[in-house]
Amino acid sequence: DQQVKQNSPSLSVQEGRISILNCDYTNSMFDYFLWYKKYPAEGPTFLISISSIKDKNEDGRFTVFLNKSAKHLSLHIVPSQPGDSAVYFCAARLMGGSARQLTFGSGTQLTVLP
Amino acid sequence: EPEVTQTPSHQVTQMGQEVILRCVPISNHLYFYWYRQILGQKVEFLVSFYNNEISEKSEIFDDQFSVERPDGSNFTLKIRSTKLEDSAMYFCASMRDASYEQYFGPGTRLTVT
Repeated sequence: DQQVKQNSPSLSVQEGRISILNCDYTNSMFDYFLWYKKYPAEGPTFLISISSIKDKNEDGRFTVFLNKSAKHLSLHIVPSQPGDSAVYFCAARLMGGSARQLTFGSGTQLTVLP
Repeated sequence: EPEVTQTPSHQVTQMGQEVILRCVPISNHLYFYWYRQILGQKVEFLVSFYNNEISEKSEIFDDQFSVERPDGSNFTLKIRSTKLEDSAMYFCASMRDASYEQYFGPGTRLTVT
């Protein structure tokens, strides 16, 4: 079951440059998308989210873009900092229902080089 | 800042033993979840809990698993008879209401030997 896919297991970026992390999904019933950051031995930390009625959401250095027709979202980090080095998970939530559970991608390890 | 807490951070148990993983969700949150991550794999949904009952469970959440919110603050996951394949990181999460984000605890590493 690969409803949420992150095809790049790793990404290296120079400090100060832009990091772009990508995520694809297959289920058109997803209505809310989230990005989480995870350090080793810690739980996922919420970063930013976007509703399916929007195509962009920005919070400081983080911007998430949603292309519903392509079933694709991306997370932009500008400028990248060494402290951003972590695993980034894309997650999606189905519309309706009371559970609102998340379906996660497999994650992308971001390394920001000083 | 309020956070989800989990205990213990690491639990080692023998196959066939019962374990209870504990979580204290954020106090004004209404939705509670358990997820797990087997080493090298995705974070997977196990169960959601709302209004004092299970609202959804995955196929992983079989009869060996149960959840409880015994006292209005703790949220527990019990595995009755652990198997080797239950070894994983178990994350608790809570959410204020349906329009908000889920916040995760630091996880419990369960090792079944």
